[in-house]
Amino acid sequence: GAVVSQHPSWVICKSGTSVKIECRSLDFQATTMFWYRQFPKQSLMLMATSNEGSKATYEQGVEKDKFLINHASLTLSTLTVTSAHPEDSSFYICSARDTLAGLYNEQFFGPGTRLTVL
Amino acid sequence: QQQVKQSPQSLIVQKGGISIINCAYENTAFDYFPWYQQFPGKGPALLIAIRPDVSEKKEGRFTISFNKSAKQFSLHIMDSQPGDSATYFCAAGAGKSTFGDGTTLTVKP
Repeated sequence: GAVVSQHPSWVICKSGTSVKIECRSLDFQATTMFWYRQFPKQSLMLMATSNEGSKATYEQGVEKDKFLINHASLTLSTLTVTSAHPEDSSFYICSARDTLAGLYNEQFFGPGTRLTVL
Repeated sequence: QQQVKQSPQSLIVQKGGISIINCAYENTAFDYFPWYQQFPGKGPALLIAIRPDVSEKKEGRFTISFNKSAKQFSLHIMDSQPGDSATYFCAAGAGKSTFGDGTTLTVKP
């Protein structure tokens, strides 16, 4: 199957700093990528839909100024957690769909990024 | 408002047994129902998916049963193995999926 990578796989940062997480589709193009947050033993919570070349669509309750999303190419989306605080510590997962495979196609998930804010 | 309800929250099955996880959805507009498997510290991976025009889909040891009138679907894992121990999520929707809360499956040897 297609591969989605994330970088870094884990990051520890100080409170108040910003952290950038990259999501790449390695062997397919994705006009749409999704960003999720997952707390321990909980489900995936969709944060935003990242659209190539346009503004991201954020879910209700997600602060767009705090979680900046940039989808600059068909294979790369980035999530920047600005002014991170301990409550932002979580497992962040991206996913992507193959643009050319149609609507009912598999959603490929990245391996996730563990963010710990001290 | 939770649009996809999943049960049970946890499940323990003996090796070789059948694992059954159930999901119910509310929005009749959903037209794509995937199941994902997630191991600790990893991203989810698609196991099997079904569209509402069929009532059952089987891939190896994994089967989805779909009941459109009841708005329910379930995952059956036949001959469960210790390697199947993971968290399973059902989801609904093709473009932007809504996930269930997950089921932690433990298969005892």
